Parts: sequence; structure tokens; C-alpha cells
Amino acid sequence: GQQLNQSPQSMFIQEGEDVSMNCTSSSIFNTWLWYKQDPGEGPVLLIALYKAGELTSNGRLTAQFGITRKDSFLNISASIPSDVGIYFCAGQGSMNRDDKIIFGKGTRLHILP
Amino acid sequence: NAGVTQTPKFRILKIGQSMTLQCTQDMNHNYMYWYRQDPGMGLKLIYYSVGAGITDKGEVPNGYNVSRSTTEDFPLRLELAAPSQTSVYFCASSLGQGRKLFFGSGTQLSVL
Repeated sequence: GQQLNQSPQSMFIQEGEDVSMNCTSSSIFNTWLWYKQDPGEGPVLLIALYKAGELTSNGRLTAQFGITRKDSFLNISASIPSDVGIYFCAGQGSMNRDDKIIFGKGTRLHILP
Repeated sequence: NAGVTQTPKFRILKIGQSMTLQCTQDMNHNYMYWYRQDPGMGLKLIYYSVGAGITDKGEVPNGYNVSRSTTEDFPLRLELAAPSQTSVYFCASSLGQGRKLFFGSGTQLSVL
């Protein structure tokens, strides 16, 4: 079945640094989604991408839908302590009813004191 | 707005016990989902429903059952709890396929 490879698994950064993470797949996706999960909470949608090449920003967050439709990237600029959490990419292959959203394993972001 | 509400927040079960995880949403979403999250493994889809009276299996349905008698409620049933079912369970809903998923805050289940 379809799988998403998300990297890196973990990141340890200093406050103020920029962050980049990505998600790749061996198959094509029509939708890419980026979620953030805070401890003890469910994931919350950050950015949704629906078109190859699309570049979308949400505050300090920017995500891109790769041209090949097999990857997506999330960048966080000037990180702050509340950025700590797990970031999940998710993709969907098509708009068919049977095509479920697939999640990556997550990137854990830690900010060093 | 309450959004997606899950109960209980935490539960400890003994092997072989049964329980129902409750999920309700007040957004009139047709699509509802149950995921489990194991450490370092992301989210795995257990079951989903595209509307009242319709349910389908996801990636990891074994050991679970669901029902969808109303648009609002989508309970997940564990009949014979096993240690492998120790996980955090998330319910989610969406307006439709490929649309934004709204997640509940999760149920942390331990089977000992």
C-alpha cells in the first residue's frame, strides 16, 4: 500500500532557528496536509495543499506541494518555544471515496533551552 | 463549538475485558474516523464511516468493531482487550473525503 516517509524523525534546534522537514512517497498524491500535535492533544491542521507546485504560508509556516506530486515540504521560520510538538504529513491519492488519508510517522521538534 | 469529543480520556483494562470508546461531533460531518497512535508510528486508520449506517475497515481493524447509527456518534468497541491494543486512540471527522480532518483530544488506553 501507499506509504509516506517523513524526515527527520527528530530535530533539536535553538530558539530562533529555521526548521525544514519533508515527506516523500513512492506514489502520487493529490492532496498533501500538514498537522501539528501538541502533547496530550489530537493533531491540528496547519496547511493543506491541493495542487502540484503550490506554495502556501500560514504565519511563520510555509509548505509546498512538490512538482512530482510525490513529496511535500514544511518550513518553520524563526522557531519559538510553542513550535515544540510532533509534525505529521498526510496525503491522499485521489478524491475517491475509498482512498483514505495516509499519515507519516511524524517529526518531533524539540527546542533546546 | 465542541468539535469532536472523545470519552474517556484515560482507561486501564485487564486482558479480555471489553469497552467502548465514545466519539461524538457537532459539526454535522458525514465522515468519521478512528485512528490509533503508537509511539513513533504515526496514525493508523482502524475504521471509518462515510455516513450514518455505513462503516468500512481501515488498515488495522482486527480486534475492533464500530457502528454509526447517527451522524453525530461513532463509537469504537473493543471486545476482548489485548496488550497489543495499548495505544492512544483518536477520533476524527471531516466534511468529506480529502477535506480537513478535525481530531478529538484522544483516549489513552492501557491493557494490562
